[in-house]
Amino acid sequence: ETGVTQTPRHLVMGMTNKKSLKCEQHLGHNAMYWYKQSAKKPLELMFVYSLEERVENNSVPSRFSPECPNSSHLFLHLHTLQPEDSALYLCASSQMWPTSNYGYTFGSGTRLTVV
Amino acid sequence: QQPVQSPQAVILREGEDAVINCSSSKALYSVHWYRQKHGEAPVFLMILLKGGEQKGHEKISASFNEKKQQSSLYLTASQLSYSGTYFCGTAVGSGNTGKLIFGQGTTLQVKP
Repeated sequence: ETGVTQTPRHLVMGMTNKKSLKCEQHLGHNAMYWYKQSAKKPLELMFVYSLEERVENNSVPSRFSPECPNSSHLFLHLHTLQPEDSALYLCASSQMWPTSNYGYTFGSGTRLTVV
Repeated sequence: QQPVQSPQAVILREGEDAVINCSSSKALYSVHWYRQKHGEAPVFLMILLKGGEQKGHEKISASFNEKKQQSSLYLTASQLSYSGTYFCGTAVGSGNTGKLIFGQGTTLQVKP
């Protein structure tokens, strides 16, 4: 499969649950990102991984924990979330340096609902 | 610092033109443009790297005014398929992460 694949597509979890979101890219990119998209809000950058090293943590609460075991896979581990964390979580990948023709490739996202 | 897009929403008839603007309070290294249809992932349209650079893709083009720290997206002879939310993403530094900060989005609706 090509592109960026995110699983699951939909997730409903209680505030005391622990779950993980998975992202996989087969594009040979060496940077991966997590963004949060809430209703009527812009895309919010959460984490950036470049060559499997976290280079950005955009003041995200510790209940979100990213993991990048290799350049093709990215996880977002979730625990004790709050209802306001309900949103669409988007994964993206890119080359480390933007070129004149390529941007980010986004996955279809995981729609998370915290009850 | 989040870039500011204007207008917030546009409604067009097929064949009409539209311009979406993206402004930043910080010096920009590059500007990306993406379109997101309802329930789908954002899709990359184009990237502008140099001041004054203009790029085009079919009837969608964009310009980048480095001095004014702004970019504009031009949609000419709009088609129904152009409907969606358009985001600009700006990279503030030339650092090796290509980190993008996105604007709040402009919703475009093209009617028959």
